[in-house]
Amino acid sequence: GNSVTQMEGPVTLSEEAFLTINCTYTATGYPSLFWYVQYPGEGLQLLLKATKADDKGSNKGFEATYRKETTSFHLEKGSVQVSDSAVYFCALSVNTGGFKTIFGAGTRLFVKA
Amino acid sequence: GAGVSQSPSNKVTEKGKDVELRCDPISGHTALYWYRQSLGQGLEFLIYFQGNSAPDKSGLPSDRFSAERTGGSVSTLTIQRTQQEDSAVYLCASSLAVVTDTQYFGPGTRLTVL
Repeated sequence: GNSVTQMEGPVTLSEEAFLTINCTYTATGYPSLFWYVQYPGEGLQLLLKATKADDKGSNKGFEATYRKETTSFHLEKGSVQVSDSAVYFCALSVNTGGFKTIFGAGTRLFVKA
Repeated sequence: GAGVSQSPSNKVTEKGKDVELRCDPISGHTALYWYRQSLGQGLEFLIYFQGNSAPDKSGLPSDRFSAERTGGSVSTLTIQRTQQEDSAVYLCASSLAVVTDTQYFGPGTRLTVL
């Protein structure tokens, strides 16, 4: 079956710290992988995506590389800011045997000044 | 341009009543999705529409849930005989196509069943 597992939060970091949020997946077929972010009081929005193995998605200083060999799509940022405080969702979409989008449970990030 | 809109933004209802939630997708988007987000949980896929194809209803939790999409645009999610466990935020999203395309989410409808 298809599933997404991401690290539990909350994650609390100081400003300028390095961030990693782990995400691993299982999927039938060849999924596309996404990170979505939900800022406080706002709707869910795409942060970055990768559609095939070894692709790197990047946006706003965040990066994630599609690793087929380890079935992972870990989110990283070299220096977080207070404004990065949000809930981050890893997701996959696959179109095998019917369309499916599976979201992880979300990881809440708090960044302290 | 305009994003995905949903109405109402909040709905409080009594157990056993029926509710209808509305979603207006981005113009030109052929794919439309409904999800449910319970408190502290991830997003649960409910149903997906793509163009004129039959919808994928595999995520609907029970036969009390149904959805339709009229004219390939506006969609309505109906929950009959609501139960307290139906309380959640219901999110709608649309995309140009499927799989590789970004989904654009609406602000959600917060449903509370008393």
